Amino acid sequence: GAVVSQHPSWVICKSGTSVKIECRSLDFQATTMFWYRQFPKQSLMLMATSNEGSKATYEQGVEKDKFLINHASLTLSTLTVTSAHPEDSSFYICSASRGHYGYTFGSGTRLTVV
Amino acid sequence: GENVEQHPSTLSVQEGDSAVIKCTYSDSASNYFPWYKQELGKRPQLIIDIRSNVGEKKDQRIAVTLNKTAKHFSLHITETQPEDSAVYFCAASKGDKLIFGTGTRLQVFP
Repeated sequence: GAVVSQHPSWVICKSGTSVKIECRSLDFQATTMFWYRQFPKQSLMLMATSNEGSKATYEQGVEKDKFLINHASLTLSTLTVTSAHPEDSSFYICSASRGHYGYTFGSGTRLTVV
Repeated sequence: GENVEQHPSTLSVQEGDSAVIKCTYSDSASNYFPWYKQELGKRPQLIIDIRSNVGEKKDQRIAVTLNKTAKHFSLHITETQPEDSAVYFCAASKGDKLIFGTGTRLQVFP
Protein backbone atom coordinates (compact mmCIF):
# COMPACT_ATOMS: atom_id res chain seq x y z
CA GLY A 1 0.00 0.00 0.00
CA ALA A 2 0.92 3.66 -0.27
CA VAL A 3 3.32 4.83 2.43
CA VAL A 4 4.38 8.29 3.51
CA SER A 5 7.53 8.32 5.60
CA GLN A 6 7.86 11.25 8.00
CA HIS A 7 11.04 12.18 9.90
CA PRO A 8 11.93 12.84 12.57
CA SER A 9 9.25 11.22 14.73
CA TRP A 10 10.17 13.49 17.58
CA VAL A 11 12.52 16.42 18.08
CA ILE A 12 13.49 18.70 20.92
CA CYS A 13 15.04 22.03 20.02
CA LYS A 14 16.05 25.20 21.75
CA SER A 15 13.99 28.34 21.42
CA GLY A 16 15.14 30.43 18.46
CA THR A 17 16.45 27.55 16.38
CA SER A 18 14.92 26.05 13.24
CA VAL A 19 13.67 22.54 12.71
CA LYS A 20 13.05 20.73 9.44
CA ILE A 21 10.50 17.97 9.07
CA GLU A 22 10.51 15.72 6.00
CA CYS A 23 7.73 13.77 4.39
CA ARG A 24 8.55 11.34 1.64
CA SER A 25 6.15 9.27 -0.43
CA LEU A 26 7.80 5.90 -0.83
CA ASP A 27 5.86 4.12 -3.55
CA PHE A 28 3.82 6.76 -5.29
CA GLN A 29 4.17 10.30 -6.57
CA ALA A 30 2.61 12.92 -4.34
CA THR A 31 1.90 16.01 -6.38
CA THR A 32 0.05 17.52 -3.43
CA MET A 33 0.98 17.34 0.25
CA PHE A 34 -0.89 18.81 3.16
CA TRP A 35 0.64 19.87 6.47
CA TYR A 36 -1.36 19.76 9.69
CA ARG A 37 -0.69 20.79 13.25
CA GLN A 38 -2.38 19.13 16.20
CA PHE A 39 -2.27 20.49 19.74
CA PRO A 40 -3.05 18.13 22.65
CA LYS A 41 -6.68 17.04 22.75
CA GLN A 42 -7.49 19.06 19.66
CA SER A 43 -8.22 18.36 16.04
CA LEU A 44 -5.86 18.36 13.07
CA MET A 45 -5.69 21.91 11.78
CA LEU A 46 -4.62 22.37 8.19
CA MET A 47 -1.64 24.69 7.94
CA ALA A 48 -0.82 24.65 4.26
CA THR A 49 -1.07 22.85 0.96
CA SER A 50 2.09 22.18 -0.96
CA ASN A 51 2.23 21.40 -4.64
CA GLU A 52 5.27 20.05 -6.39
CA GLY A 53 7.18 22.80 -8.13
CA SER A 54 5.11 25.71 -6.88
CA LYS A 55 4.66 27.86 -3.80
CA ALA A 56 2.67 26.52 -0.93
CA THR A 57 -0.78 27.84 -0.13
CA TYR A 58 -1.17 28.74 3.53
CA GLU A 59 -4.37 28.72 5.54
CA GLN A 60 -5.57 31.90 7.14
CA GLY A 61 -3.63 32.75 10.28
CA VAL A 62 -0.59 30.62 9.45
CA GLU A 63 2.63 32.62 9.11
CA LYS A 64 4.29 31.63 5.85
CA ASP A 65 7.62 33.12 6.88
CA LYS A 66 7.65 31.04 10.03
CA PHE A 67 6.53 27.76 8.50
CA LEU A 68 8.53 27.30 5.33
CA ILE A 69 7.29 24.59 3.01
CA ASN A 70 9.24 23.18 0.11
CA HIS A 71 7.93 20.58 -2.30
CA ALA A 72 10.88 20.23 -4.65
CA SER A 73 10.09 16.79 -6.01
CA LEU A 74 7.15 14.46 -6.51
CA THR A 75 8.24 12.40 -3.52
CA LEU A 76 9.48 14.93 -0.96
CA SER A 77 7.91 17.80 0.93
CA THR A 78 9.55 19.57 3.85
CA LEU A 79 8.26 21.84 6.60
CA THR A 80 10.76 24.08 8.36
CA VAL A 81 9.71 25.74 11.59
CA THR A 82 11.92 28.82 11.77
CA SER A 83 12.90 30.57 14.99
CA ALA A 84 10.86 28.10 16.98
CA HIS A 85 9.29 29.13 20.26
CA PRO A 86 7.63 27.06 23.00
CA GLU A 87 4.18 27.88 21.59
CA ASP A 88 5.20 26.06 18.38
CA SER A 89 5.45 22.83 20.34
CA SER A 90 2.91 20.53 18.75
CA PHE A 91 2.33 17.38 16.72
CA TYR A 92 2.97 18.04 13.03
CA ILE A 93 1.71 15.59 10.44
CA CYS A 94 1.75 15.50 6.67
CA SER A 95 -0.72 13.93 4.30
CA ALA A 96 -0.45 13.11 0.62
CA SER A 97 -3.39 13.26 -1.71
CA ARG A 98 -3.87 10.14 -3.80
CA GLY A 99 -6.82 11.33 -5.82
CA HIS A 100 -9.63 8.80 -5.84
CA TYR A 101 -7.73 6.65 -3.36
CA GLY A 102 -7.99 9.23 -0.61
CA TYR A 103 -5.21 10.47 1.61
CA THR A 104 -2.14 8.84 3.15
CA PHE A 105 -0.72 10.24 6.36
CA GLY A 106 2.81 10.37 7.64
CA SER A 107 3.50 9.08 11.13
CA GLY A 108 3.76 12.56 12.60
CA THR A 109 6.47 14.57 14.34
CA ARG A 110 6.30 15.58 17.97
CA LEU A 111 8.09 18.94 18.28
CA THR A 112 9.06 20.24 21.69
CA VAL A 113 10.68 23.66 21.92
CA VAL A 114 12.50 24.38 25.18
CA GLY B 1 -13.99 27.57 3.05
CA GLU B 2 -15.20 24.26 4.38
CA ASN B 3 -16.18 23.99 8.03
CA VAL B 4 -16.87 20.65 9.69
CA GLU B 5 -18.64 20.38 13.03
CA GLN B 6 -18.66 17.18 15.06
CA HIS B 7 -20.76 16.01 18.00
CA PRO B 8 -20.52 14.86 20.67
CA SER B 9 -17.06 15.77 21.90
CA THR B 10 -17.09 12.85 24.33
CA LEU B 11 -19.11 9.66 24.32
CA SER B 12 -19.17 6.90 26.90
CA VAL B 13 -20.91 3.62 26.21
CA GLN B 14 -21.13 0.19 27.75
CA GLU B 15 -19.44 -2.63 25.91
CA GLY B 16 -21.87 -4.14 23.40
CA ASP B 17 -23.89 -0.96 23.00
CA SER B 18 -23.91 1.17 19.85
CA ALA B 19 -22.16 4.51 19.39
CA VAL B 20 -23.17 7.25 16.99
CA ILE B 21 -21.10 10.28 16.06
CA LYS B 22 -22.50 13.05 13.88
CA CYS B 23 -20.89 15.63 11.63
CA THR B 24 -22.14 18.51 9.54
CA TYR B 25 -20.29 20.26 6.76
CA SER B 26 -20.76 23.63 5.12
CA ASP B 27 -19.48 23.31 1.55
CA SER B 28 -22.03 21.62 -0.68
CA ALA B 29 -19.25 20.87 -3.18
CA SER B 30 -17.60 18.43 -0.75
CA ASN B 31 -17.86 14.91 -2.09
CA TYR B 32 -15.61 12.73 0.03
CA PHE B 33 -16.24 12.02 3.72
CA PRO B 34 -13.77 9.80 5.58
CA TRP B 35 -13.76 8.79 9.22
CA TYR B 36 -10.54 8.32 11.13
CA LYS B 37 -9.58 6.71 14.42
CA GLN B 38 -6.58 8.20 16.16
CA GLU B 39 -4.62 6.71 19.02
CA LEU B 40 -2.59 9.08 21.16
CA GLY B 41 0.51 10.30 19.34
CA LYS B 42 -0.26 8.27 16.21
CA ARG B 43 -1.37 9.07 12.69
CA PRO B 44 -5.09 8.99 11.93
CA GLN B 45 -6.26 5.60 10.66
CA LEU B 46 -8.98 5.47 8.05
CA ILE B 47 -11.82 3.28 9.28
CA ILE B 48 -14.46 3.97 6.65
CA ASP B 49 -15.28 6.54 4.02
CA ILE B 50 -18.18 7.50 1.81
CA ARG B 51 -18.54 9.48 -1.38
CA SER B 52 -21.37 11.79 -2.27
CA ASN B 53 -22.93 9.41 -4.77
CA VAL B 54 -23.69 6.92 -1.99
CA GLY B 55 -26.09 7.28 0.94
CA GLU B 56 -24.81 4.52 3.18
CA LYS B 57 -21.82 2.23 3.50
CA LYS B 58 -21.16 -0.59 5.93
CA ASP B 59 -18.10 -2.56 6.92
CA GLN B 60 -18.76 -5.18 9.60
CA ARG B 61 -19.55 -3.27 12.82
CA ILE B 62 -19.01 0.14 11.28
CA ALA B 63 -21.39 2.07 9.06
CA VAL B 64 -21.56 5.58 7.71
CA THR B 65 -24.61 7.43 6.43
CA LEU B 66 -24.65 10.59 4.35
CA ASN B 67 -27.45 13.10 3.87
CA LYS B 68 -26.34 15.49 1.15
CA THR B 69 -29.42 17.64 1.38
CA ALA B 70 -28.89 18.32 5.07
CA LYS B 71 -25.10 18.25 4.69
CA HIS B 72 -24.52 15.84 7.48
CA PHE B 73 -23.01 12.40 7.86
CA SER B 74 -22.81 9.98 10.75
CA LEU B 75 -20.63 7.13 11.99
CA HIS B 76 -22.34 4.15 13.59
CA ILE B 77 -20.41 1.56 15.57
CA THR B 78 -22.38 -1.46 16.73
CA GLU B 79 -21.43 -4.02 19.38
CA THR B 80 -18.74 -1.75 20.75
CA GLN B 81 -15.65 -3.26 22.32
CA PRO B 82 -13.10 -1.76 24.73
CA GLU B 83 -10.57 -1.60 21.88
CA ASP B 84 -12.89 0.81 20.07
CA SER B 85 -11.93 3.40 22.69
CA ALA B 86 -10.07 6.19 20.89
CA VAL B 87 -10.58 9.62 19.36
CA TYR B 88 -12.60 9.64 16.16
CA PHE B 89 -12.51 12.37 13.54
CA CYS B 90 -14.78 13.01 10.62
CA ALA B 91 -13.48 14.94 7.63
CA ALA B 92 -14.70 16.41 4.36
CA SER B 93 -13.06 17.13 1.04
CA LYS B 94 -14.06 18.26 -2.44
CA GLY B 95 -11.01 16.71 -3.98
CA ASP B 96 -8.36 18.99 -2.62
CA LYS B 97 -7.66 19.70 1.02
CA LEU B 98 -9.16 17.55 3.76
CA ILE B 99 -10.83 19.43 6.60
CA PHE B 100 -11.30 17.67 9.93
CA GLY B 101 -14.06 17.84 12.47
CA THR B 102 -13.33 18.63 16.10
CA GLY B 103 -13.12 15.03 17.23
CA THR B 104 -15.02 12.68 19.54
CA ARG B 105 -13.41 10.84 22.41
CA LEU B 106 -15.14 7.48 22.65
CA GLN B 107 -14.81 5.43 25.79
CA VAL B 108 -16.17 1.90 25.88
CA PHE B 109 -16.50 0.50 29.38
CA PRO B 110 -16.33 -3.27 29.95
